[in-house]
Amino acid sequence: ETGVTQTPRHLVMGMTNKKSLKCEQHLGHNAMYWYKQSAKKPLELMFVYNFKEQTENNSVPSRFSPECPNSSHLFLHLHTLQPEDSALYLCASSQARGADTQYFGPGTRLTVL
Amino acid sequence: AQSVTQPDIHITVSEGASLELRCNYSYGATPYLFWYVQSPGQGLQLLLKYFSGDTLVQGIKGFEAEFKRSQSSFNLRKPSVHWSDAAEYFCAVGADNYGQNFVFGPGTRLSVLP
Repeated sequence: ETGVTQTPRHLVMGMTNKKSLKCEQHLGHNAMYWYKQSAKKPLELMFVYNFKEQTENNSVPSRFSPECPNSSHLFLHLHTLQPEDSALYLCASSQARGADTQYFGPGTRLTVL
Repeated sequence: AQSVTQPDIHITVSEGASLELRCNYSYGATPYLFWYVQSPGQGLQLLLKYFSGDTLVQGIKGFEAEFKRSQSSFNLRKPSVHWSDAAEYFCAVGADNYGQNFVFGPGTRLSVLP
């Protein structure tokens, strides 16, 4: 399997649930990213990991908790979300941070009831 | 820090017509420029990128883009649009500074009339 994969593709959860999004890249990259894409809003960078270390957290609420156990896997743990958190969550990877091309997964469509 | 603007929120063209999507960036040094396309409910797919060299770059699906430093622009073009090109298009700028991240433009939605 190649590229960047994300599971699940669709997720519906209540505000009191706990769920996790998974991202896996098969490109041998060292940097991984979580983006949030809401309707009629620009792409929002949430977290950046470089060589498994979190290098950036763009003022994301603590109800979103990332985890990067190795350079190939990235998780986004979700708990006590709000309806406004409903969005498409995109994972991306690149060889390194900065100018390197980012490759995106297909995204997880999250709906919070 | 870099920034990107895409002046057109939504563009409609007829199938077979030519297309130009505008992208303007702000960055003090040499930019690394990208165009991505996103079909509904999908992730972003890289169309083309400019790092250096020839200012006219060719991409996939018949797209090309031209880097014009004097105008701080990186416009995307296609000579003849197909119905399958209907999608959202994002311009992005990356910095050559290791610590910087990509900045994406707000996107331009392309509709294609039969």
